[in-house]
Amino acid sequence: NAGVTQTPKFQVLKTGQSMTLQCAQDMNHEYMSWYRQDPGMGLRLIHYSVGAGITDQGEVPNGYNVSRSTTEDFPLRLLSAAPSQTSVYFCASSYSLESNYEQYFGPGTRLTVT
Amino acid sequence: AQSVTQPDIHITVSEGASLELRCNYSYGATPYLFWYVQSPGQGLQLLLKYFSGDTLVQGIKGFEAEFKRSQSSFNLRKPSVHWSDAAEYFCAVGAGNTDKLIFGTGTRLQVFP
Repeated sequence: NAGVTQTPKFQVLKTGQSMTLQCAQDMNHEYMSWYRQDPGMGLRLIHYSVGAGITDQGEVPNGYNVSRSTTEDFPLRLLSAAPSQTSVYFCASSYSLESNYEQYFGPGTRLTVT
Repeated sequence: AQSVTQPDIHITVSEGASLELRCNYSYGATPYLFWYVQSPGQGLQLLLKYFSGDTLVQGIKGFEAEFKRSQSSFNLRKPSVHWSDAAEYFCAVGAGNTDKLIFGTGTRLQVFP
C-alpha cells in the first residue's frame, strides 16, 4: 500500500491564484481530513469527510473548499490564494468510527503565497 | 470544548538522558489520547495511543506514556534518548464521537551528543 499520498510537495502561488492540493489513500479509509500546520500553532483542522459525498468544516475552513466524490480522493481547493494561507498542509485518513481514531498522515504540501 | 496544552515549546537533552514531555488535556468524558512524532520535513507518525485499560501504554521507538485522569495529563517518557529522537512531538485528543483530532502546539526536542 502507498498509504496517504499528497501532491505537490511544494508550491508557490501569487496572491489571487487558485489551485488544488491533491490527497489520495489506498487503504479504503472512510474518514479523511485536511490540516494546516503553522509555527507555534500545531495542526488545525480545515475540513473533513466521513465518507464519499459527505464533508464538513473544521476549525479554520475559510478560503478552502473540499469535495469527496470517491472514497480514495479528497482534494483541497484554494479559490483565491492569500499570503495568510502560506503553510504546510497535511492530509490524513482513518477507518470509520470503529478505527479508534488512529489517523495516517501524508507527507505534506508546503505552500507559499507571495 | 476539547483542548490540549503542551507547556514546553522547546526541550534540549543530552544523548542518553531521560526524557519527559508534558501534555495536559481538557475533555469532559473519557479521552482518546495520542502522541505523534514529526521528523524535519516529514509527516506525522503515531508513537502510541490510549483508549482505555492500563494507564501506562507502550509505543514504538522505546517511548511510553502514562494517563493520569486526576491530573488530566498524558506525559510521554523515554528512559534514554538517542540523537535520532530529535523531532517535534505532538499530543492530541480525540474530539467526541468523531474522528476529529485536537492537537497541541507541539514540543521541539533537541538532542546534544
